[in-house]
Amino acid sequence: AQSVTQLGSHVSVSEGALVLLRCNYSSSVPPYLFWYVQYPNQGLQLLLKYTSAATLVKGINGFEAEFKKSETSFHLTKPSAHMSDAAEYFCAVSESNTGKLIFGQGTTLQVKP
Amino acid sequence: NAGVTQTPKFQVLKTGQSMTLQCAQDMNHEYMSWYRQDPGMGLRLIHYSVGAGITDQGEVPNGYNVSRSTTEDFPLRLLSAAPSQTSVYFCASSSPGGDNSPLHFGNGTRLTVT
Repeated sequence: AQSVTQLGSHVSVSEGALVLLRCNYSSSVPPYLFWYVQYPNQGLQLLLKYTSAATLVKGINGFEAEFKKSETSFHLTKPSAHMSDAAEYFCAVSESNTGKLIFGQGTTLQVKP
Repeated sequence: NAGVTQTPKFQVLKTGQSMTLQCAQDMNHEYMSWYRQDPGMGLRLIHYSVGAGITDQGEVPNGYNVSRSTTEDFPLRLLSAAPSQTSVYFCASSSPGGDNSPLHFGNGTRLTVT
């Protein structure tokens, strides 16, 4: 069965510091992997997706993620945090392209001035 | 561009009442799904549909019913509301694109059952 684990329910960084949000997945087949962001009282917005074309995936707002099959990881990074990055971030995995995603528990990112 | 539209935005029900959460998309997406979001649990799939007339259960289907009579609409019915169904509900849609199209989410319905 598929599963997603996000390490750390809350991450706090200073403005300008590196952002690292961790995601590990379990899948019996080559996975589709996603990162979504949720701002308060809003729906989820796609940050980036892994399509197997390249292991390093660049997304919106300066975020990127690296697919590491050997580590079953898909960690999200951003070199320099901005106050506007404060939000909840979800990693998700799918075995098929049918809209059935398994989400991680979410990580709340706090950015301190 | 409307995208995925959910109504209502907020709803309060008493235990035992029934209601329908509406979801409509204008992107001609074949796939639609319903998730519930609870603190510390991420989003969990309730029901999904791969096309008009086709639905299937997700991870947490008990107490919910769906139907898909048109491509555009995918309503979620609560048959007899329970406090455990207090949650934020999200509808999502996607197309079966070859590039693994992502889900498009509505802005959610916040439901409280007292």
